[in-house]
Amino acid sequence: GAVVSQHPSRVICKSGTSVKIECRSLDFQATTMFWYRQFPKQSLMLMATSNEGSKATYEQGVEKDKFLINHASLTLSTLTVTSAHPEDSSFYICSATDRTNTGELFFGEGSRLTVL
Amino acid sequence: GENVEQHPSTLSVQEGDSAVIKCTYSDSASNYFPWYKQELGKRPQLIIDIRSNVGEKKDQRIAVTLNKTAKHFSLHITETQPEDSAVYFCAANFEGFKTIFGAGTRLFVKA
Repeated sequence: GAVVSQHPSRVICKSGTSVKIECRSLDFQATTMFWYRQFPKQSLMLMATSNEGSKATYEQGVEKDKFLINHASLTLSTLTVTSAHPEDSSFYICSATDRTNTGELFFGEGSRLTVL
Repeated sequence: GENVEQHPSTLSVQEGDSAVIKCTYSDSASNYFPWYKQELGKRPQLIIDIRSNVGEKKDQRIAVTLNKTAKHFSLHITETQPEDSAVYFCAANFEGFKTIFGAGTRLFVKA
């Protein structure tokens, strides 16, 4: 149980375009979803927290107009990187918690974004 | 602020030896401390976690200790094997719901 699926696993785009990444909880209702970014050989940095039907809460230093997060249902959250630039190239990974609220995170597979 | 510090950044041990990774956290209200193992290009995998009402937890070759007074916790891996080689992250929860990660420890187990 507690499977989170993330797509696409890899995406290459041109500078200035937008990219959407989807995160789905397959067998549970994700009350809260988290989006992390991980640069090579670095840690996971929390970008934002989203709750179904609410606006996402962004961490300090993360541009909310650039990283659009939508959590329209209890099983789906999306991250859209708008007007992507090469410095946005990174590993983006979502995670979710379930209703048991134990604090345990269930991670998606991650999406490697390369902006040319 | 919300901060988790992790040491060392790199750790090299001989197969069969023990490995210890240490972390400190900034918020005394944190009550959940997971440890993750991440292989290159993969998602983090939870290997063990501990809650604030417990001082120690063990699962086969892996153990975690927590000192709430000092706000630090440690991961202990005994009888290390080459397949234990990976990056390990400690983490702590903040504000009751979000998880902040340490910088990571790259563990090398030499056969």
